[in-house]
Amino acid sequence: QLQLQESGPGLVKPSETLSLTCSVSGGSITSSSYYWGWVRQPPGKGLEWIASIFYSGSTYCTPSLKSRVTISVDTSKNQFSLRLSSVTAADTAVYSCVRIRFGVLNDYYYYYMDVWGKGTTVTVSS
Amino acid sequence: QSMLTQPPSVSAAPGQKITISCSGSSSNIGNNDVSWYQQFPGAAPKLLIYDNHKRPSGIPDRVSGSKSGTSATLGITGLQTGDEADYYCATWDSSLGAGVFGGGTKLTVL
Repeated sequence: QLQLQESGPGLVKPSETLSLTCSVSGGSITSSSYYWGWVRQPPGKGLEWIASIFYSGSTYCTPSLKSRVTISVDTSKNQFSLRLSSVTAADTAVYSCVRIRFGVLNDYYYYYMDVWGKGTTVTVSS
Repeated sequence: QSMLTQPPSVSAAPGQKITISCSGSSSNIGNNDVSWYQQFPGAAPKLLIYDNHKRPSGIPDRVSGSKSGTSATLGITGLQTGDEADYYCATWDSSLGAGVFGGGTKLTVL
């Protein structure tokens, strides 16, 4: 059974860069059927989609974060990563990595997140 | 502000039925498939519905999904206290080139 595990610092200073890694176990990140992505949830608030990546490097990113986000994949380690630069307190959230089924069928995009990591809390504070 | 609009809360008694709406636009729900997620406090979300109406293995058939035009609906019948959770809709927004979530709906089983 495929599992995702986030790792990274739990505390980041304002203006610095948040870096997280998601380790994939029980399956290959090079599967042609899936994208891999990040979702975050600020305390007491709803879910926010951040970005996704295919093993070949094709990426998508939510426009509001695009200038600060880098998403990458390391197929040799079966991992993918998120970097968010110039963080502020508004970036404090639980960050979760996800497996995404994404594609086009009959002119419709199908898109859903079928496997989630447990999430890791990142606090931005000096 | 979410691209998809959900009611903040719904409530019903055990055994009853609820529906949760998710309203969007032609750039998202109107032309793409919708998924729904259940989230308990302190836990990761769980996929409930994908491709508008399909249930992953293990999701009971008292959970259903539908889509019409630019809106989608999640239905749960035979409510149980264990259904108390937050529910989110999601889809792809073709104009944004990004995934989008609804703001979430808190279900209370009275």
